Amino acid sequence: QSALTQPPSVSGSPGQSVTISCTGTSSDVGGYNRVSWYQQPPGTAPKLIIYEVRNRPSGVPDRFSGSKSGNTASLTISGLQAEDEADYYCSSYTSSSTFVVFGGGTQLTVL
Amino acid sequence: QVQLQESGPGLVKPSETLSLTCAVSGYSISSGYYWGWIRQPPGKGLEWIGSIYHSGSTYYNTSLKSRVTISVDTSKNQFSLKLSSVTAADTAVYYCARASTLSYYMDVWGKGTTVTVSS
Repeated sequence: QSALTQPPSVSGSPGQSVTISCTGTSSDVGGYNRVSWYQQPPGTAPKLIIYEVRNRPSGVPDRFSGSKSGNTASLTISGLQAEDEADYYCSSYTSSSTFVVFGGGTQLTVL
Repeated sequence: QVQLQESGPGLVKPSETLSLTCAVSGYSISSGYYWGWIRQPPGKGLEWIGSIYHSGSTYYNTSLKSRVTISVDTSKNQFSLKLSSVTAADTAVYYCARASTLSYYMDVWGKGTTVTVSS
């Protein structure tokens, strides 16, 4: 069982927006602005798309945005494109003994 | 451009020690960042294993801590993972990555290497 809770799957049509949630506790998501998101297309390594809750690395489209409220972080993808189809993982620093925790991952399907 | 490349045996016998190395190019490990290992069992999610700083300070997932050793060789610009007493549950794709020392996000990843534990 993962430390952070994500929905197993979400879907949307091209052009639409989808939001993926990531729920933790006050020891991780809620306690620190150290939430990151990763995109992993099938058979490839994860790629950082959001760091420190809402910051985008250079080269990541602004269609990807992050936010946080309480113990829940969210990733929103607007203007869905076929190339966005992938697994998405959230991660957070945690003050517990594991140091870094991941969510279980969410599979995004573009219909 | 920073690049990371994992290497090591693809097959390890149960009860033996898994050993992997991550070669870093385009950036000196001694310049900063944490350097870490993450794994992904077949069809499952990501699991953080641990990280090391160039000074040698290490941080391990406590669920694996008794079996994990991460070390760094700054002269070769590489770092390594050893996982002892492996079982089939340790079968996974193993990734090395560079991590921010402030916020612990992993901004550069290796392509990953598959390790199977089987006799």
